[in-house]
Amino acid sequence: TQLLEQSPQFLSIQEGENLTVYCNSSSVFSSLQWYRQEPGEGPVLLVTVVTGGEVKKLKRLTFQFGDARKDSSLHITAAQTGDTGLYLCAGGGDDKIIFGKGTRLHILP
Amino acid sequence: ETGVTQTPRHLVMGMTNKKSLKCEQHLGHNAMYWYKQSAKKPLELMFVYSLEERVENNSVPSRFSPECPNSSHLFLHLHTLQPEDSALYLCASSQSGTVDSPLHFGNGTRLTVT
Repeated sequence: TQLLEQSPQFLSIQEGENLTVYCNSSSVFSSLQWYRQEPGEGPVLLVTVVTGGEVKKLKRLTFQFGDARKDSSLHITAAQTGDTGLYLCAGGGDDKIIFGKGTRLHILP
Repeated sequence: ETGVTQTPRHLVMGMTNKKSLKCEQHLGHNAMYWYKQSAKKPLELMFVYSLEERVENNSVPSRFSPECPNSSHLFLHLHTLQPEDSALYLCASSQSGTVDSPLHFGNGTRLTVT
């Protein structure tokens, strides 16, 4: 069974700090996606990474796909209150998209 | 209208009721999905339709019945639900329906079964 483990489950930090959240698996994925979900809304795609070692930047967010395509990280620089939300990683599995349980991020003003 | 639209946003139903959730996508995508989101669990895939044909049902109980009349519309018919079925039900669409095709989600229906 393919699983994606996200850590930490919860993170509460002050505005302006940096943070990294992780998405790990023992399985290889053909691609990996990151979504952000805000209260009362559905998840919104942030990025897709497909190549081992790939790094993508989206303003203050930096996404990296592991060399072996088994893990990924999301780094946020100078976090803002607007970054608050549930961050989900999802991998292209053998026959369907696999989701992690998410990291709930709360940025304090 | 753009994106994926779900109605209703909130639904409270008794265990003997019959209700339906509706989803409409305006993206021209070929695949549509129903997901269940419960606290402390990963998103659970319930049903996938690709070009209006069901390709996955993931062993969902028969009290949930999907319908996809065309590539833009998806329904989830509910009957004799249980309290543990209370959750956020998300509809999504994707361009191709492959595992690497990003999902576009609606804002969900928050279902409470009493």
